[in-house]
Amino acid sequence: RKEVEQDPGPFNVPEGATVAFNCTYSNSASQSFFWYRQDCRKEPKLLMSVYSSGNEDGRFTAQLNRASQYISLLIRDSKLSDSATYLCVVGLTNTGNQFYFGTGTSLTVIP
Amino acid sequence: SQTIHQWPATLVQPVGSPLSLECTVEGTSNPNLYWYRQAAGRGLQLLFYSVGIGQISSEVPQNLSASRPQDRQFILSSKKLLLSDSGFYLCAWRVQQGNSPLHFGNGTRLTVT
Repeated sequence: RKEVEQDPGPFNVPEGATVAFNCTYSNSASQSFFWYRQDCRKEPKLLMSVYSSGNEDGRFTAQLNRASQYISLLIRDSKLSDSATYLCVVGLTNTGNQFYFGTGTSLTVIP
Repeated sequence: SQTIHQWPATLVQPVGSPLSLECTVEGTSNPNLYWYRQAAGRGLQLLFYSVGIGQISSEVPQNLSASRPQDRQFILSSKKLLLSDSGFYLCAWRVQQGNSPLHFGNGTRLTVT
């Protein structure tokens, strides 16, 4: 079983739509959770950390469910510039330097 | 603010040739440093990480090696490249304490021919 699993998509949504991505992780000892954005042929860039109480940054909302071991990312009012691959990342940071990456979910926002 | 520099951006090398990729971090001290590889259409694979000068942990046995000669410098090397070494190589850093995120360099796209 993979440490982190994501639906690869692709998700094709119209501008202005709301889209949600989910990610599940297998290690219950995981302590840190992140969403990264990766544009084609570019490096991953941190979109937001995910906190236990959930957190919001503008049009982006992240949620963590430790009991079910999943993380979600909600994008409201999608923009063309949101088109990218979104990576779910889970860390075991107090026992070492293990970060587990999902393979990413591809999003294309259509005019 | 902290910045991370990685070079070269692209590289085409023949099979059997050596490799040296360099990464430097500015604006922070004693960072954790990482080398990842991303093969086409696949997730990121951790190759090496370092928690201090001269301290290297290898995650995947292969023909690559890493060194950290200075606090903010991380080098990825190979004596003889294989075709399977082609990929997108990413250097990253993070603060040692707490649940801090990784910050990636721009990456090196390596093609072994």
